[in-house]
Amino acid sequence: DTGVSQDPRHKITKRGQNVTFRCDPISEHNRLYWYRQTLGQGPEFLTYFQNEAQLEKSRLLSDRFSAERPKGSFSTLEIQRTEQGDSAMYLCASSLGEGNQETQYFGPGTRLLVL
Amino acid sequence: AQKITQTQPGMFVQEKEAVTLDCTYDTSDPSYGLFWYKQPSSGEMIFLIYQGSYDQQNATEGRYSLNFQKARKSANLVISASQLGDSAMYFCAMREGWNAGNMLTFGGGTRLMVKP
Repeated sequence: DTGVSQDPRHKITKRGQNVTFRCDPISEHNRLYWYRQTLGQGPEFLTYFQNEAQLEKSRLLSDRFSAERPKGSFSTLEIQRTEQGDSAMYLCASSLGEGNQETQYFGPGTRLLVL
Repeated sequence: AQKITQTQPGMFVQEKEAVTLDCTYDTSDPSYGLFWYKQPSSGEMIFLIYQGSYDQQNATEGRYSLNFQKARKSANLVISASQLGDSAMYFCAMREGWNAGNMLTFGGGTRLMVKP
């Protein structure tokens, strides 16, 4: 399977705990995006990497959230001191910069439930 | 104001018939791209079709076509010959500007249910 992969697929945690999600993009894709999707809504942008550089962050990304992409390959998204409002699907997407028709390909997502 | 509006929360279609899912968008940028994604119950967002703002012809990909009406700022998805496997959530999304690193803005989605 050469698509975007995410791990874990599901995570249940207690409020106040830290969680970390991993995303492996399509090989050789230089751009990587994180989105959050709450129930009944469309995905919302969180942050974006080009290679290892984090180039853009949404205001949704509070200081409890941190994302990294060491070496420009896989990425991690960490949420510290989780809150019930963090419960959502976290989607990762990758793309290969090809001008205006660049298409983002999504992984299966990580469903987070904070109790 | 909402950048992407999908006014149909849910739609039913009979198997083998065509269906149109509506999408209107709002941008002042002359350069933008419009995308449709399918999200089955498993959660993965599957890319279906792309339309650029300067494209002269409507995009088509197999059974999917995009009815692009630039003056009305609409980009409706047409699915021909519906199949049971088409039952899913469908999201319209927009990327503003030609900076290939720009994020996508999504609409609220339409749930399509195909009846046998």
